[in-house]
Amino acid sequence: KQEVTQIPAALSVPEGENLVLNCSFTDSAIYNLQWFRQDPGKGLTSLLLIQSSQREQTSGRLNASLDKSSGRSTLYIAASQPGDSATYLCAVTDNYGQNFVFGPGTRLSVLP
Amino acid sequence: ETGVTQTPRHLVMGMTNKKSLKCEQHLGHNAMYWYKQSAKKPLELMFVYNFKEQTENNSVPSRFSPECPNSSHLFLHLHTLQPEDSALYLCASSQPEAGYGYTFGSGTRLTVV
Repeated sequence: KQEVTQIPAALSVPEGENLVLNCSFTDSAIYNLQWFRQDPGKGLTSLLLIQSSQREQTSGRLNASLDKSSGRSTLYIAASQPGDSATYLCAVTDNYGQNFVFGPGTRLSVLP
Repeated sequence: ETGVTQTPRHLVMGMTNKKSLKCEQHLGHNAMYWYKQSAKKPLELMFVYNFKEQTENNSVPSRFSPECPNSSHLFLHLHTLQPEDSALYLCASSQPEAGYGYTFGSGTRLTVV
């Protein structure tokens, strides 16, 4: 059974810092890995999707990498801003690409 | 708006009430999902529909009853709920064979009193 963990559980940084969020999964036979952002009480917003054949994806100040063999992904946020404060979740799908298994999330606070 | 719309946004119901949550997507996706998010717990998959057919029921109590009349609409019918069912209920859609990820709705915040 696939299990997804995220480290750290919470992170507080001053504005302007570059930071890395980590995601680990136990079964490397994944189809997709997706990073989401969730603001308190709201739905999830997709940030980046990495398909299993890809190594990384970039969008603006965000860069996500995937190492399937070691069961790891990282989300790099450059020049963090207070507006980046949210919970960041990673999720992986099985080889059918249908059902995502979610990690517990990393709660990020960027202080002005 | 993300392309997946959930109504209502907030719902307070008594334990003897019957209510329904609605999810609608016009992204052309063929798979739709219900997730439950409780405080301090990871997202829990409840139901999966693919081309209107239920493909997964993750041991959800029968007081939750899903309905998928077509590929664009998904309902979650609720009856005789318990206070521990209070949570954020999230709907998502995807196109798995195209390799796309999930698109989520904004969720319904349910409080059972």
